[in-house]
Amino acid sequence: EVHLVESGGGLVKPGGSLRISCAASGFTFNTYSMNWVRQAPGKGLEWVSCISSTSSYTYYADSVKGRFTVSRDNTNNSLFLEMNSLRAEDTAVYYCARDDDTSWFDPWGQGTLVTVSS
Amino acid sequence: EIVLTQSPATLSLSPGERAALSCRASHSVSTYLAWYQQKPGQAPRLLIYDASKRATGIPARFSGSGSGTDFTLTISSLEPEDFAVYYCQHRSNWPKFTFGPGTKVLIK
Repeated sequence: EVHLVESGGGLVKPGGSLRISCAASGFTFNTYSMNWVRQAPGKGLEWVSCISSTSSYTYYADSVKGRFTVSRDNTNNSLFLEMNSLRAEDTAVYYCARDDDTSWFDPWGQGTLVTVSS
Repeated sequence: EIVLTQSPATLSLSPGERAALSCRASHSVSTYLAWYQQKPGQAPRLLIYDASKRATGIPARFSGSGSGTDFTLTISSLEPEDFAVYYCQHRSNWPKFTFGPGTKVLIK
């Protein structure tokens, strides 16, 4: 069964940094692009970042460009998001999602909550 | 930048009724549009992709239609588990994806 599990969320002060992870299982991780999508409390979905299967390409939403860095470890089937210069508006549940064979997001992990507050 | 608008924001219906959710794009996205369902406390789930194709395991009561700028997600007969928030998403300017603001389907 395809499974994605995020971890590493928590409380961080404005201006601080945090690294969240996504552990993948049940599929050939190194053949799929992966994404991060976030959802602020009570709000809608916002695409954050995408990384190609071999890390050749990375893409970011304008709202996080220059502050967030996506990476992956295909040996250990893991996806990461390094978040720097965090702001209150970055507070959200962060989901990882596979770019599936149809080129859409399926499946999604259960999410990890990042709270930026002093 | 292509903006997606969803209507209505909230839809109040009874089980067994038909639901029609609209998603409009500010510019043509061809058929590069998907629909996701999100229940409270859960991650989104892919329902429809490429405007009209059902994702694996999705019941036949869910259908998608449209192309260009106007799209519709139809639930032919609402089941209790279908009351949720539905988002449309486009990828016409891949790899930058955009989601609509969502339609909440409530039990009447």
